[in-house]
Amino acid sequence: AQSVTQLGSHVSVSEGALVLLRCNYSSSVPPYLFWYVQYPNQGLQLLLKYTSAATLVKGINGFEAEFKKSETSFHLTKPSAHMSDAAEYFCAVSSPLVYQLIWGAGTKLIIKP
Amino acid sequence: KAGVTQTPRYLIKTRGQQVTLSCSPISGHRSVSWYQQTPGQGLQFLFEYFSETQRNKGNFPGRFSGRQFSNSRSEMNVSTLELGDSALYLCASSRGTESTGELFFGEGSRLTVL
Repeated sequence: AQSVTQLGSHVSVSEGALVLLRCNYSSSVPPYLFWYVQYPNQGLQLLLKYTSAATLVKGINGFEAEFKKSETSFHLTKPSAHMSDAAEYFCAVSSPLVYQLIWGAGTKLIIKP
Repeated sequence: KAGVTQTPRYLIKTRGQQVTLSCSPISGHRSVSWYQQTPGQGLQFLFEYFSETQRNKGNFPGRFSGRQFSNSRSEMNVSTLELGDSALYLCASSRGTESTGELFFGEGSRLTVL
């Protein structure tokens, strides 16, 4: 069975500081991994995804994530936080021939001025 | 192209009533998934429909049901509402033919049960 663990329900960083949101997964088959973002009062939208090509994946709004098989991790980073990055971030996993995502609990990113 | 549309955006019901929520997917998308989002439980998968057939189902009681029409529009129904059903219900559409396919979400229907 697949599962996703996001460390920290809330992460607070100062504007301009590094953003690091942690995601660890469990999967018995090669996974597909996703990060989605939800801004207040909106639905989710895809930030980036890993589908077994390059292990370093670049997404929208300056975010990137690195797939590390040995650590079963897919952490999301951004070099410099902006106030507009304040949102909830969800990590998710699926696998070949599976059409359902397994979601993490989400991490609320708070940006301090 | 138009995004995923959910109606109504907000609704208030009382315990014991039933509710029907609607989702119009992006044109050409054949898969519609439904999620319940609450502060305590996070994002919970309800079910997924593909070409009018339920393909995946989450762990919710039978009071929660759905269907998909031939034009891919979907509805979900919750009968005998309970206070705990208060939540944001999100619908997401995709082509449904790729495991790596992007889900496109609507803005949700916020249900309050009094």
